[in-house]
Amino acid sequence: DAGVTQSPTHLIKTRGQHVTLRCSPISGHKSVSWYQQVLGQGPQFIFQYYEKEERGRGNFPDRFSARQFPNYSSELNVNALLLGDSALYLCASSGTVNTEAFFGQGTRLTVV
Amino acid sequence: AQSVTQLGSHVSVSEGALVLLRCNYSSSVPPYLFWYVQYPNQGLQLLLKYTSAATLVKGINGFEAEFKKSETSFHLTKPSAHMSDAAEYFCAVSDRNAGNNRKLIWGLGTSLAVNP
Repeated sequence: DAGVTQSPTHLIKTRGQHVTLRCSPISGHKSVSWYQQVLGQGPQFIFQYYEKEERGRGNFPDRFSARQFPNYSSELNVNALLLGDSALYLCASSGTVNTEAFFGQGTRLTVV
Repeated sequence: AQSVTQLGSHVSVSEGALVLLRCNYSSSVPPYLFWYVQYPNQGLQLLLKYTSAATLVKGINGFEAEFKKSETSFHLTKPSAHMSDAAEYFCAVSDRNAGNNRKLIWGLGTSLAVNP
């Protein structure tokens, strides 16, 4: 079975641009969460979606948005990119009962 | 608010020595507890988790952790370090009463170096 897949794996954008990151959860998982991991730090929670509804939001500006599709895949959108948005963006999926989160390999975003 | 403290941002051990990585949580109700490992330029891999069963949890790669409610701790150990254990280790918690709102709260991580 495929694990959590994220695309693209690497991305370079300039300040002010917009970016869309994509995540496909493990088959059967209905919950998707997004995390930002700045180099040298632990992940920071951005969003959680369950059954296409936003269930949690971290302390991130409105430039960050996300959505979940009927097939439970998800997109994370970031507008008006800043240099400080450079990070590894991680997607995690989990099932209904099991609290274990499975992570994708992440998308490395570099803003120049 | 729930928080996680990992004591020691860097730990260095010799190959074959005991590995001890510390994690403490702040919650009056014991949360779900996790240890993840991250190798350079890779995602996070679950080592082990505590939900509500045995307090001594065995994970992959010879790691184990013991949940101690009285100390609000969930320290990670391995009897004998291997060179391949060098990585970043993260402790994380989630609220067991959160239902489907399963946000993970993370520690800052401990970088483990294994010396030959």
